Parts: sequence; C-alpha cells; structure tokens
Amino acid sequence: GQNIDQPTEMTATEGAIVQINCTYQTSGFNGLFWYQQHAGEAPTFLSYNVLDGLEEKGRFSSFLSRSKGYSYLLLKELQMKDSASYLCAVRGNNDYKLSFGAGTTVTVRA
Amino acid sequence: DTGVSQDPRHKITKRGQNVTFRCDPISEHNRLYWYRQTLGQGPEFLTYFQNEAQLEKSRLLSDRFSAERPKGSFSTLEIQRTEQGDSAMYLCASSLVGQGDGYTFGSGTRLTVV
Repeated sequence: GQNIDQPTEMTATEGAIVQINCTYQTSGFNGLFWYQQHAGEAPTFLSYNVLDGLEEKGRFSSFLSRSKGYSYLLLKELQMKDSASYLCAVRGNNDYKLSFGAGTTVTVRA
Repeated sequence: DTGVSQDPRHKITKRGQNVTFRCDPISEHNRLYWYRQTLGQGPEFLTYFQNEAQLEKSRLLSDRFSAERPKGSFSTLEIQRTEQGDSAMYLCASSLVGQGDGYTFGSGTRLTVV
C-alpha cells in the first residue's frame, strides 16, 4: 500500500517563500509528482521527480530524496493566485497509477 | 485540442437513481483514468484503461460502478443505485504511454446524491 503525508494547511505572506513537505512510504517507487488544485477545479501538473535532487521551474522547485522517502515543493515570490491546495502524488512500481496525499492548503495573505 | 473534457460538470440525483458521466480525453492519449475526490482529500484511483482495455479496477469500485471505453477514445462511468456516500468529485485524466510526466486531468463531475 501507499502512505503519503503532507501538512494540512500553511499560511504565508505575499512575496514570501513557502516549503511544503511530503513524506511517503510506498511499495515501490517510480516517480513523485506535485499538482496544484484551486477550489472546484482540476488538479494541474507542477513538477515531476524520479531521481534525487532539485528540479527548478520558475518560481516553483521540487526536491526528492528517495532514501528518506521525502520530497518538498518550494514556492518562491508568493502571489495571491498561489492560494490553492498542493497535492503530492507517488507512482509505485507500475508506470500509470498515482497515489495522492490529502493535499496542503496554502493561503497567501497580503 | 482543448484538453480533457468531462460532462456534466454537476449532477444532483436522488438516492437509488443511476447516473452516467462522460470523459473525452486528449485525442492522442491512449491511457485514461478515473479518480474520485472527496472534500479535503486527494484523488483516489478508481480504474484505468489503455486503449479500450480496462487493465485495473480499484476495490473502491463496487459492483454498482462500471466504466467503459468502447473504442479507445471517450469513456463513461456509470453508478447504479446511487448512495449518499457516492457524493464526490469524479475526475477523469489521460496520458500517453511512455510519457514520464503526470497526467492531464479534466475539470471533474461533481455528484451530489440527496
């Protein structure tokens, strides 16, 4: 089975940095994904890590440590539109099925 | 291509009624997935198709649920004899075999069973 943990809520100020941690215990590993989901909308793909290290995409970066079963998503220069739920998902031994954490709701305040 | 489309966006039904949802994936994507999401939770895997073959069904998918993808293009998800516990957002997603990145989700169908 898959066990994926992330904090329920985080609050940060516009322009600041927030780091969302995700820990996982899974039967097999074939990639870790981060998705952003605004209320009432579909999840949208943010990042993908399969090897250890940092992947940077503009204001968003994602880090993976496979030996520790740990990832984080770093959001820099926060904007009000970044207020959303951020979902951590792990792909197991197969190459298709994702198991999601419950999501972290980030609230950006002015 | 406008992405993954789902219809309807919202459905309110009485307990015991049958409902059917439709998903149109990105045209070149050969994999299609159904997930269910309840408030405050992440999406949960229901089932997966590669072309027209249904290759995996979650044990969450009771015998009241059936999904089809008859020609390897659009898919339908039917729930028979709906129960209040079926109230959720039903998400469809698609991807291409061999593509390492994650899938593209549709906007979902929100089902409310009253």
